[in-house]
Amino acid sequence: DGGITQSPKYLFRKEGQNVTLSCEQNLNHDAMYWYRQDPGQGLRLIYYSQIVNDFQKGDIAEGYSVSREKKESFPLTVTSAQKNPTAFYLCASSIGQGLLSGANVLTFGAGSRLTVL
Amino acid sequence: EDKVVQSPLSLVVHEGDTVTLNCSYEVTNFRSLLWYKQEKKAPTFLFMLTSSGIEKKSGRLSSILDKKELFSILNITATQTGDSAVYLCAGRASGTYKYIFGTGTRLKVLA
Repeated sequence: DGGITQSPKYLFRKEGQNVTLSCEQNLNHDAMYWYRQDPGQGLRLIYYSQIVNDFQKGDIAEGYSVSREKKESFPLTVTSAQKNPTAFYLCASSIGQGLLSGANVLTFGAGSRLTVL
Repeated sequence: EDKVVQSPLSLVVHEGDTVTLNCSYEVTNFRSLLWYKQEKKAPTFLFMLTSSGIEKKSGRLSSILDKKELFSILNITATQTGDSAVYLCAGRASGTYKYIFGTGTRLKVLA
């Protein structure tokens, strides 16, 4: 079955440590995204990537880094520079620009919950 | 700065009630608006709207877009406890892959 796999589902980290969240998709989608969700704040965009080896900052990119070396993978690193990293992180993908009516629908993974101790 | 605003923030109704959720947007070169339902983890897609006045329907759910007044509504008729969730809307500008989400509306349906 096609979909997006995020791992780990739950992660605990000590202050000052970097952690990497994995996101893999087998939907053959060009675009991938990382969102952060905090209670009462909806989804906020961290980074997004339209094609391999290219990515853009979203609204809250400070303290985060990404890479897009393969079409299927878009890992997110939460660095020690992120002051308040405890949150629920959602990865998503979309087919990208195109003629298909469903081309711009986001498909989400199940999320990763990061807690900083 | 582009933004999407949803109202109300939360809503409690009884089974069988009809609810209307609101989404207003300010998105430069607006292209499309998406509605999602989020129960626990991954948001699931409900509707994509690109044209004004064309109602999209799926069972008891329906949605419509007004591009002149810059808003969309999501209607749920004959609500059920399974409709309890956070409903999210997101706007996208033409020429970009960037989606801007609202804060969501938390709906609770009581038996």
